[in-house]
Amino acid sequence: GQSLEQPSEVTAVEGAIVQINCTYQTSGFYGLSWYQQHDGGAPTFLSYNGLDGLEETGRFSSFLSRSDSYGYLLLQELQMKDSASYFCAVDSGGYQKVTFGTGTKLQVIP
Amino acid sequence: DAGITQSPRHKVTETGTPVTLRCHQTENHRYMYWYRQDPGHGLRLIHYSYGVKDTDKGEVSDGYSVSRSKTEDFLLTLESATSSQTSVYFCAISADVGANVLTFGAGSRLTVL
Repeated sequence: GQSLEQPSEVTAVEGAIVQINCTYQTSGFYGLSWYQQHDGGAPTFLSYNGLDGLEETGRFSSFLSRSDSYGYLLLQELQMKDSASYFCAVDSGGYQKVTFGTGTKLQVIP
Repeated sequence: DAGITQSPRHKVTETGTPVTLRCHQTENHRYMYWYRQDPGHGLRLIHYSYGVKDTDKGEVSDGYSVSRSKTEDFLLTLESATSSQTSVYFCAISADVGANVLTFGAGSRLTVL
């Protein structure tokens, strides 16, 4: 089966940098994605790592190490609107079975 | 916005009654998913589909069945709803193989009394 572990909560100060880690165990692996979800809303796609290394999209970056079964999401120049839940997800099957972690609730404080 | 709609958006039902949630897409995407979301559990995969009439179970499939007779529609059925199935249900679609970029519907909140 698949399992993904993330911290349940993180608090950071506006303007700072925060890193949200994700470790996974899966029987097959194609890539790691990150999603953002605001309270009461639907998850929205942020980034995808299919290969080892860093992917940058504006203030957000995501990193993957296949050998360590580990990835992280890095949020820079935090804004109040970044307060949300963040989920990592793995694509682990030939038919694109996508499994999510339990999510990390990020609170940005002034 | 990607063309994905869920119906109904809210439903209250009683234990033991059948319930069907519908996911409709206008993107012609191959892959469709049903997840449930509960506090402390994140998004848990119920069933997914990789083509018309091609479906497979996720991690929490007991008590649920699905059907996909057309590319655009993916139905989730609770044959006999239980209170433990009270949840928010999200449908998602994806076009790409090997790049799990999912687009989610707005969600369906189901309450089973």
